[in-house]
Amino acid sequence: AQTVTQSQPEMSVQEAETVTLSCTYDTSESDYYLFWYKQPPSRQMILVIRQEAYKQQNATENRFSVNFQKAAKSFSLKISDSQLGDAAMYFCAYHGIQGAQKLVFGQGTRLTINP
Amino acid sequence: KAGVTQTPRYLIKTRGQQVTLSCSPISGHRSVSWYQQTPGQGLQFLFEYFSETQRNKGNFPGRFSGRQFSNSRSEMNVSTLELGDSALYLCASRPGPTTVEQYFGPGTRLTVT
Repeated sequence: AQTVTQSQPEMSVQEAETVTLSCTYDTSESDYYLFWYKQPPSRQMILVIRQEAYKQQNATENRFSVNFQKAAKSFSLKISDSQLGDAAMYFCAYHGIQGAQKLVFGQGTRLTINP
Repeated sequence: KAGVTQTPRYLIKTRGQQVTLSCSPISGHRSVSWYQQTPGQGLQFLFEYFSETQRNKGNFPGRFSGRQFSNSRSEMNVSTLELGDSALYLCASRPGPTTVEQYFGPGTRLTVT
């Protein structure tokens, strides 16, 4: 079974600075997708960024980028120029291609932005 | 396009009762998945429906069930509620099961007393 681990329960960063959230996963599949979701206090789960495992190039969406290390099974999220609106719970998630096609989530990292 | 909608947003029930939660997917989306979110267990997959058929099921007891209607709207039912069923129940939709990106609704907060 696939597992996703986020080792940082909480992180904080000063507004306008850069922060990196860590995520590792375990799978025996060679092809899969990885996601970062953001859940603000409103509880609405919002997709931040996605990475296809077969792509070596790291995904980027505006201020959000990932560092995908397939061999190490690591998938970190970097938020540049942090803004107050970035404060939320961030979840790393795995989606396989074979078998049960569902999202497997990590435990989440609570990100606080200090003004 | 309207997003995924879930009703009700909040619900308080007593142990032993049953509850039905509703989810309307994004227009054109035919696949609906349900997830349970608790502080202790995190986000866990309950089941997925596509074209009115359950495709996948998570590791939950038979008290948790669901169904999907011909208009792709889905309901989940929990019978004989237990205190541990208190959670945020999230619904997510996607065009079909081969599409990996899922779009989540705002959730239903269920409290069991």
